[in-house]
Amino acid sequence: DARVTQTPRHKVTEMGQEVTMRCQPILGHNTVFWYRQTMMQGLELLAYFRNRAPLDDSGMPKDRFSAEMPDATLATLKIQPSEPRDSAVYFCASGFQGYTEAFFGQGTRLTVV
Amino acid sequence: SQQGEEDPQALSIQEGENATMNCSYKTSINNLQWYRQNSGRGLVHLILIRSNEREKHSGRLRVTLDTSKKSSSLLITASRAADTASYFCATLYNTDKLIFGTGTRLQVFP
Repeated sequence: DARVTQTPRHKVTEMGQEVTMRCQPILGHNTVFWYRQTMMQGLELLAYFRNRAPLDDSGMPKDRFSAEMPDATLATLKIQPSEPRDSAVYFCASGFQGYTEAFFGQGTRLTVV
Repeated sequence: SQQGEEDPQALSIQEGENATMNCSYKTSINNLQWYRQNSGRGLVHLILIRSNEREKHSGRLRVTLDTSKKSSSLLITASRAADTASYFCATLYNTDKLIFGTGTRLQVFP
């Protein structure tokens, strides 16, 4: 049963702490996305990768966010330092380049207090 | 922002009625997709329509696309309580950049 796996599912942290979210894309998919969902902004595209190379991270606050793909089975999104306004659900999705469908993980619900 | 907009933001109907959601976008696209999100869950792909297509059907779903107006609509016929969810359109730019709309929250009452 191929699916995108995100960890952790929930994270509560204090302001100023580093947060790392992990995503295991579906094996064989060559495109990985990170989205952030909030009530106010909806689903925002933060960054995406093709064949592990970052293609576009213009949606990401550069001073505190970073996204990487250390290998084809792992994508990470880090926030350092975290702020209360970063509280949101972060989704990872994967697919094929020029694909017809993106497969989403269950998300990481982040709360920064 | 390239983000599309959907209307209505929220829609409440009775079981058996049809539900129509509209999506507008801003620039040329490769295809347009519709996704569903149940509360607290990830998004699930429903249907795709390519930029050279005008209408597509899948079960109780019907999607239309008007590229001249940069708009699409999703029709769910004979709705069921289980259709209660949020629905998002997503537009594919440059073969791999997928941008989501603001979503429509659909409530179907038994």
